[in-house]
Amino acid sequence: NAGVTQTPKFQVLKTGQSMTLQCAQDMNHNSMYWYRQDPGMGLRLIYYSASEGTTDKGEVPNGYNVSRLNKREFSLRLESAAPSQTSVYFCASSEDPGQGYNAPLHFGNGTRLTVT
Amino acid sequence: AQSVTQLGSHVSVSEGALVLLRCNYSSSVPPYLFWYVQYPNQGLQLLLKYTTGATLVKGINGFEAEFKKSETSFHLTKPSAHMSDAAEYFCAVRSWSSYKLIFGSGTRLLVRP
Repeated sequence: NAGVTQTPKFQVLKTGQSMTLQCAQDMNHNSMYWYRQDPGMGLRLIYYSASEGTTDKGEVPNGYNVSRLNKREFSLRLESAAPSQTSVYFCASSEDPGQGYNAPLHFGNGTRLTVT
Repeated sequence: AQSVTQLGSHVSVSEGALVLLRCNYSSSVPPYLFWYVQYPNQGLQLLLKYTTGATLVKGINGFEAEFKKSETSFHLTKPSAHMSDAAEYFCAVRSWSSYKLIFGSGTRLLVRP
């Protein structure tokens, strides 16, 4: 019962390098999300995908791109990493909200990224 | 835009004491409200959620939260703290028509023996 799986768990990049964070869920959820967590700031939404084939910006999208590869997978790409992107990144998924949008999010265990 | 404020970045209680973690939201229409818990080096886990109906919501691990529309609050409580409750707690809000779940800045709960 894997739920939401994120890879890698840890990553160190140099400024200007690129990388892709991978996320996959096995709960047949339509909606997927990428958040970043920084001390004292809670979680901030980077991008989300309401359903396969759609993506939308969240609160802090600058410097990131996403791809909803299929229903299971939602990747986050940093094209040119900056020290300000040092953070813990969480992927999440939820059932189709339908009417009401009250479905909770299910989170992966995070990717800890350091940019030097 | 929706927002949520958690008062107190750190709360310290003795084992067996009452736990009270505060959360206030800004919205003219009552939104959907959630409390999540995060243990070290893990993702977030749902504690409880408020949708509509009963204002007192019971969650896992003995936690509960009361929705007060007049105070725009959704405070989390537990009658008796256990050492295992030490973690970071996040309040989150989602409006009736949005996919976006907005989180507060979190409150770290410390439980003293």
